[in-house]
Amino acid sequence: SYELTQPPSVSVSPGQTARITCSGDALPKKYAYWYQQKSGQAPVLVIYEDSKRPSGIPERFSGSSSGTMATLTISGAQVEDEADYYCYSTDTSGDHRVFGGGTKLTVL
Amino acid sequence: QVQLVESGGGVVQPGRSLRLSCEASGFTFSNYDMHWVRQAPGKGLEWVALIWFDGSNKNYADSVKGRFTISRDNSKNTLYLQMNSLRAEDTAVYYCAREDHGGPYYWGQGTLVTVSS
Repeated sequence: SYELTQPPSVSVSPGQTARITCSGDALPKKYAYWYQQKSGQAPVLVIYEDSKRPSGIPERFSGSSSGTMATLTISGAQVEDEADYYCYSTDTSGDHRVFGGGTKLTVL
Repeated sequence: QVQLVESGGGVVQPGRSLRLSCEASGFTFSNYDMHWVRQAPGKGLEWVALIWFDGSNKNYADSVKGRFTISRDNSKNTLYLQMNSLRAEDTAVYYCAREDHGGPYYWGQGTLVTVSS
């Protein structure tokens, strides 16, 4: 079955740039999406179609994709950005959606 | 505003069945594809199933295919997940979500399913 691979954890100091990667064989052909989940809350979509930002999401969140890797970048990370981040995409058939294993972002 | 309210969770023995419901409001339910996504305690998100806006197409994760059935009643603005032959590894919070921007966008608060003897 199709898998998306993320690093388990990323740590940055406040104001630094955080980068979270997601690798998958179908990413050259399929969009990547990024979700933020804070403890005890439902996930929130922060990036869709590789690099677009839904309304209400701060400009410090951006996304990119190249080859088999998608990247979520948080420029000038803030303490409130501490959360688990998940990438999401589909396999080449489009029949199966999948989440990456998640990355715990620590900002301290 | 968009609201999704899941119900039907609880404790169930292995091998038994359970049906989850998700009542939608604040939007035209029949216009949108809908997902079920689950999260085991302390674990990551797992996509479970998708149903098209008109119910004409359904997709499932390999882990639930043949055991779970997603359905919808557009006249009742309600999404369902029929779960049969439940296993301990199905224990999770189950979220329903409305698709937008190409992925699950609006989420409910989830309902907990515990499979235990």
